[in-house]
Amino acid sequence: KQEVTQIPAALSVPEGENLVLNCSFTDSAIYNLQWFRQDPGKGLTSLLLIQSSQREQTSGRLNASLDKSSGRSTLYIAASQPGDSATYLCAVRETGGFKTIFGAGTRLFVKA
Amino acid sequence: NAGVTQTPKFQVLKTGQSMTLQCAQDMNHNSMYWYRQDPGMGLRLIYYSASEGTTDKGEVPNGYNVSRLNKREFSLRLESAAPSQTSVYFCASHGPQTLDSPLHFGNGTRLTVT
Repeated sequence: KQEVTQIPAALSVPEGENLVLNCSFTDSAIYNLQWFRQDPGKGLTSLLLIQSSQREQTSGRLNASLDKSSGRSTLYIAASQPGDSATYLCAVRETGGFKTIFGAGTRLFVKA
Repeated sequence: NAGVTQTPKFQVLKTGQSMTLQCAQDMNHNSMYWYRQDPGMGLRLIYYSASEGTTDKGEVPNGYNVSRLNKREFSLRLESAAPSQTSVYFCASHGPQTLDSPLHFGNGTRLTVT
């Protein structure tokens, strides 16, 4: 059974710092991996999607990497800002099906 | 462009009452999903509909039923609510390229069962 783990559960950093959020998954048979952002009381917004054949994706200050063989992904946020404060969730879509399995998320707080 | 719309936003039920959560998307997506989110547990899939006319169980289907009314709408019904169903419920969709496109989420329904 696929399990997705995110470490740390919470993170507090000063503004301007570069940071890395970690995601690990137990079964490497995935179709793709997505990173989402969730603001309090809101739904999830897709940030980046990495296909299983890709190694990384970039969008602005965000860079996500994927190492399928080791079951790991990282989300790198450059020059963090208070507006980046949110919960970040990692999710993997299993091969051969429609199921996407989510991690519990990392709650990020960027201090001004 | 509304995306994925969920109603209601908040609901309080008493144990044993029934209700239907509504979800509609205007992006011409084929696949739709219902998730529940509980503190510290991430999102868990309740039911999904790969395409109009089909529905399948997810990870936690007990106590729920779904209807894919048409391509736009996918509803979730609680026939006899229980306190364990207190949660935030999210509807999501993706397509039309199905598996290689990102999930789009609604803003959720916050349900409390007393």
